[in-house]
Amino acid sequence: QVQLQQSGAELVKPGSSVKISCKASGYTFTSYDMHWIKQQPGNGLEWIGWIYPGNGNTKYNQKFNGKATLTADKSSSTAYMQLSSLTSEDSAVYFCARSPPLNYYSGYYFDYWGQGVMVTVSS
Amino acid sequence: DIQMTQSPASLSASLGETISIECRASEDIYSNLAWYQQKSGKSPQLLIYAANRLQDGVPSRFSGSGSGTQYSLKISGMQPEDEGDYFCLQGSKFPLTFGSGTKLEIK
Repeated sequence: QVQLQQSGAELVKPGSSVKISCKASGYTFTSYDMHWIKQQPGNGLEWIGWIYPGNGNTKYNQKFNGKATLTADKSSSTAYMQLSSLTSEDSAVYFCARSPPLNYYSGYYFDYWGQGVMVTVSS
Repeated sequence: DIQMTQSPASLSASLGETISIECRASEDIYSNLAWYQQKSGKSPQLLIYAANRLQDGVPSRFSGSGSGTQYSLKISGMQPEDEGDYFCLQGSKFPLTFGSGTKLEIK
């Protein structure tokens, strides 16, 4: 069965960086886009961007340009997101989520999600 | 960016009641609309995609409808396990955007 296993919670200092992981299993990692989503209480959900592990292509929400960097390791079926220059505004739960192959009728959507990683930025 | 306006923000329903949640897009999203349920502390679960396609394993009391800019999720016969947060996602244009969510509780 499809599983997306994310790394554990992070407590990090302002100005630092953090790299969180999302290990995929139960499907062909290189054939599906992997998306990243931010969730903050009161701020709802924000789409950060996606990566296609098959060739490393990425697309970012302009809002997260310079903040998030998406990578993928085909050998370990693991996607990564690095967040840099962290501030309190980056404290949130971050999810990875798989999207099925794109078609005109459905557009992009996420059929499987990781369990989420809570990132807390605090001195 | 496409704005997704979701209503109501909260809803209280009795067991067996039928409820609807709405999402309105700021422009035509061509039925590229998905609905999710999220329970406290858990990751979201896909209910509906392509506006009206029921995801495998989701109970048939959930249904989606709509086109253009107006979409709705209906639960026909509220069950205790349906308590949670619900949100929509537009998958038509980047950046992908979400509705603000609806908190559904048992009355």
